[in-house]
Amino acid sequence: DTEVTQTPKHLVMGMTNKKSLKCEQHMGHRAMYWYKQKAKKPPELMFVYSYEKLSINESVPSRFSPECPNSSLLNLHLHALQPEDSALYLCASSQEPGDRQPQHFGDGTRLSIL
Amino acid sequence: AQSVTQLDSHVSVSEGTPVLLRCNYSSSYSPSLFWYVQHPNKGLQLLLKYTSAATLVKGINGFEAEFKKSETSFHLTKPSAHMSDAAEYFCVVSDGSGGYNKLIFGAGTRLAVHP
Repeated sequence: DTEVTQTPKHLVMGMTNKKSLKCEQHMGHRAMYWYKQKAKKPPELMFVYSYEKLSINESVPSRFSPECPNSSLLNLHLHALQPEDSALYLCASSQEPGDRQPQHFGDGTRLSIL
Repeated sequence: AQSVTQLDSHVSVSEGTPVLLRCNYSSSYSPSLFWYVQHPNKGLQLLLKYTSAATLVKGINGFEAEFKKSETSFHLTKPSAHMSDAAEYFCVVSDGSGGYNKLIFGAGTRLAVHP
């Protein structure tokens, strides 16, 4: 069982749809992350939140919009996605921004764009 | 800049035989190193971590890794493979130089375990 919970597990959407991915952790971690993972590749960092504020955006297209409503929740809002955005989206958290401790990952949302 | 190289993209072993997954790193300072495992349709699970304490690190499920500074290596081993060990394994170094906990991933090693 993972301590980082992601919903939904699977999502199929059309290119004109708007949907959101949700991530929740109750470990008191103050840093949270979104990653994108394509098949047979390592995860690629998208966004970093430190103390509920966006601190890093790795040049992600604006059709991906992150949000951190509180210290336990992280959302990723999706709009007008492209077929190449189909991937596994992983959320992770770590105790403090800037430390070098491991990140804890959720099981991800498998996203398919039609 | 920090980097990680996993020397084998695929490793195949028989059940009950030893596992060796090789990882070399490059770091300008004392690194924090991790091994993660990813089973199909799952997230990444932390197997073990090295953060400048003991050089031989024991992890979950019988895995261990040895940090060798002179060889810049952090190889993952297990004495006896189990069918459930079949998965993708990532060697990772943590780079905190940018003010946040950036993970640098190796390309991954796919472990197959045969009966």
